[in-house]
Amino acid sequence: QSVLTQPPSVSGAPGQRVTISCTGSSSNIGAGYDVHWYQHLPGTAPKLLIYGNNNRPSGVPDRFSGSKSGTSASLAITGLQAEDEADYYCQSYDSSLSAPVVFGGGTMLTVL
Amino acid sequence: EVQLLESGGGLVQPGGSLRLSCVASGFSFSIYAMSWVRQAPGKGLEWVSGISESGDTTYYADSVRGRFTISRDNSKNTLYLQMNNLGAEDTAVYYCAKQDGSSHYYSMDVWGQGTTVTVSS
Repeated sequence: QSVLTQPPSVSGAPGQRVTISCTGSSSNIGAGYDVHWYQHLPGTAPKLLIYGNNNRPSGVPDRFSGSKSGTSASLAITGLQAEDEADYYCQSYDSSLSAPVVFGGGTMLTVL
Repeated sequence: EVQLLESGGGLVQPGGSLRLSCVASGFSFSIYAMSWVRQAPGKGLEWVSGISESGDTTYYADSVRGRFTISRDNSKNTLYLQMNNLGAEDTAVYYCAKQDGSSHYYSMDVWGQGTTVTVSS
């Protein structure tokens, strides 16, 4: 059971907008710790997609955006493209744990 | 080019040991915290262990505490993960990752390609 909760899967047609939620608690997201998002395609290294809740690293298209409110965060992808089909993970920090870096369980995005 | 290159994975029998290495290049290794993250077959990403930039502070997931040891040699730009008493549940692709700062609060902005560990008799 992951500390951060994500839906197992989401889907959308090309061009559409999808969102992926990430729900935490008062000891991680709700405590003010940043949420980061990663894109992971099978057989490749995970890629940082969003850092610090809503910041995109250089090279990440502005179709990807992040937000955070209270004990939850969301990743939004607009103008869905076939190449976006991947697993997406949220990650934060939990000061109540001896292993403080926590991931969500991951969300598989299917582009229909 | 900023790069992390893992090595040391392989097939090991239950109860055996392996040491993973991760060589960093293209950045000042000694000023960043580092992590090991794994993905078991069919599972999500799991943070295994982390180490401060100086090596003074280490963290371990409950699933590996007492069996795994993380360390670093800043003179060699290398991160290590010594894994002992391995079990089938440790079968996974292991990634090393660079934190984007001196703390594990920060994101993991650079990842290696991963090294595969298979525990089987």
